Amino acid sequence: GAVVSQHPSWVICKSGTSVKIECRSLDFQATTMFWYRQFPKQSLMLMATSNEGSKATYEQGVEKDKFLINHASLTLSTLTVTSAHPEDSSFYICSARAGERGGLYEQYFGPGTRLTVT
Amino acid sequence: SQKIEQNSEALNIQEGKTATLTCNYTNYSPAYLQWYRQDPGRGPVFLLLIRENEKEKRKERLKVTFDTTLKQSLFHITASQPADSATYLCALVATGGFKTIFGAGTRLFVKA
Repeated sequence: GAVVSQHPSWVICKSGTSVKIECRSLDFQATTMFWYRQFPKQSLMLMATSNEGSKATYEQGVEKDKFLINHASLTLSTLTVTSAHPEDSSFYICSARAGERGGLYEQYFGPGTRLTVT
Repeated sequence: SQKIEQNSEALNIQEGKTATLTCNYTNYSPAYLQWYRQDPGRGPVFLLLIRENEKEKRKERLKVTFDTTLKQSLFHITASQPADSATYLCALVATGGFKTIFGAGTRLFVKA
């Protein structure tokens, strides 16, 4: 099956610093990648959608200047949390779509990145 | 408003029994609905997808039903095992939509 990797799997950073999270589709080309965040015992909340080579589309309430997304290639998307604060501590998960097959979009998830801001 | 609701209470069942999880939605017209498994500290893993014009889908011990009149999907795990213990997420993509929207998930515990 399709594999999506994320790096790092966990990171601890100090308040005010920036953190970059990488998401890669290992054995397929991802036309679209999604970034989610998840708080304990809560649903996955979509933050933004990105297509290769174009600007990301952010969900309402998500600060695009704080959460910078770059979808540089069909296999790589990065999320940079700028000037991180403790309230940004969360579980960040990326997802990649392989494109339409028979009218359906198959979507695969990375293992997630646990961010802790101290 | 649009909602996807899953039972927030954990489901505890005995090994060997059938687990049934419920997903209800309002104010959506799903093109298709998906079920995922999520283990603690991990990303979701895709299990099954069912289209709006399908009533039932099976995969090994898993079965999903989809009732667009009731606006409900049921997810069944037969002959459940302790290894099936996890959180199960319901997700849908609306007709003409693009984004996948998730429910909060139901935690399943299977006791040996």
